[in-house]
Order: sequence, then C-alpha cells, then structure tokens
Amino acid sequence: DAKTTQPTSMDCAEGRAANLPCNHSTISGNEYVYWYRQIHSQGPQYIIHGLKNNETNEMASLIITEDRKSSTLILPHATLRDTAVYYCILIRGRRALTFGSGTRLQVQP
Amino acid sequence: GAGVSQTPSNKVTEKGKYVELRCDPISGHTALYWYRQSLGQGPEFLIYFQGTGAADDSGLPNDRFFAVRPEGSVSTLKIQRTERGDSAVYLCASSSGTRNSPLHFGNGTRLTVT
Repeated sequence: DAKTTQPTSMDCAEGRAANLPCNHSTISGNEYVYWYRQIHSQGPQYIIHGLKNNETNEMASLIITEDRKSSTLILPHATLRDTAVYYCILIRGRRALTFGSGTRLQVQP
Repeated sequence: GAGVSQTPSNKVTEKGKYVELRCDPISGHTALYWYRQSLGQGPEFLIYFQGTGAADDSGLPNDRFFAVRPEGSVSTLKIQRTERGDSAVYLCASSSGTRNSPLHFGNGTRLTVT
C-alpha cells in the first residue's frame, strides 16, 4: 500500500476547526483514504474514509484533492476530548491497515 | 452495543513463560485482526482472520507467536517463551468483513515481560 506523510504534531485552540493534512502522492486508483485516531490508553477509533469525493459524518469532514495526492481531515469545532494521535492510512480491499506515526493533535483550552 | 472486548487488560509475566491473550469481537463480525503497539509508535499488524482461517499472518514476528480462532468468533493470541522485547500493548480489531468496512478496535492488553 502507498505511504502517507503527516506532520508529527499540531496544536489547535478549543472551539476552532482543526485541519489535519496528509500527503499520499503515490496513491493508486483503487486505494481509499482512511482516518483513525487514538486517544491515550485506548484502541484506535475509526473516523471517516473516502475514495475521491469529499465525505462528511458526525465526527469530521474529509477533503480529498482532485488529483487524490493529498487530503485533509477537518474537525469543525475541536474540543479537549479531540486531543489524540490521528492516523491517515491508505487501504484497498480487505487488506490490513498499516499505521504510520500519525499526527499528535493537542487541543488547547 | 458491545464493542470489541480484550482480556486481560493487563498481564505481567516472567521471561520464558507462556501467555494467552483473548479477544471477543463484535457479534457477527467475520474479520478479526491482531496488532501490537510499542510505546510511542503506531500499531503494527500481526495477523488477520476471515472466519476461522488466517487470511494473512505475515506480521507475526517469529514462530513463538501463534493465533487461533476455532469457531470464527473469539480469538486467542498465544506467545511462547516470552521475551522482554514482547512487552507491548496487544490490540484486537474486528470488522464486518465486507469490502472497505472499518475496523473496530478494543482497548488492548498491556503485556509486560519481566
């Protein structure tokens, strides 16, 4: 599966939107972009996924560029409980997820 | 509803001992995954079951590690002759098994080998 590149860490003020970028310049046509997050001492939690269209659910929005070489996860109104490590992962079919190092998001009060 | 359950939540064992870690997936989920996570790193894939059979065991580090899922539900990860380097959080996840279905993770078993 293609690799992803994410910033190591980011800060965001509580109540503001958190925009987490992910580069995946070698993505192939049948690979989906998945986002998971991991809050301290818990297992990873699924957030959202998409192929080429932008997606939105109750947790977040996913914006995928037209060339699919990058994407952004948007948490519209970050809270302290959103402090976590966020993982951007590419996957096709039923293959197992391959986690990188992720982005450590710190939401500041 | 009930999520993925892992027991025990913590396990301390001595070097050289045998351990078993249990995973109860979400009811009806046919796919089950084991990962392990060392401090400060992302989860590392170990093995994936579809039903009772191991569809991909390429992540198992060596033959001291073995996993079973005899009835296609509960799975046990078995580690023989434990070493201090096996200390990690062992995570289990399940999914419905359909294409692109998301994984649901348990909170893991923290294994400490002394």
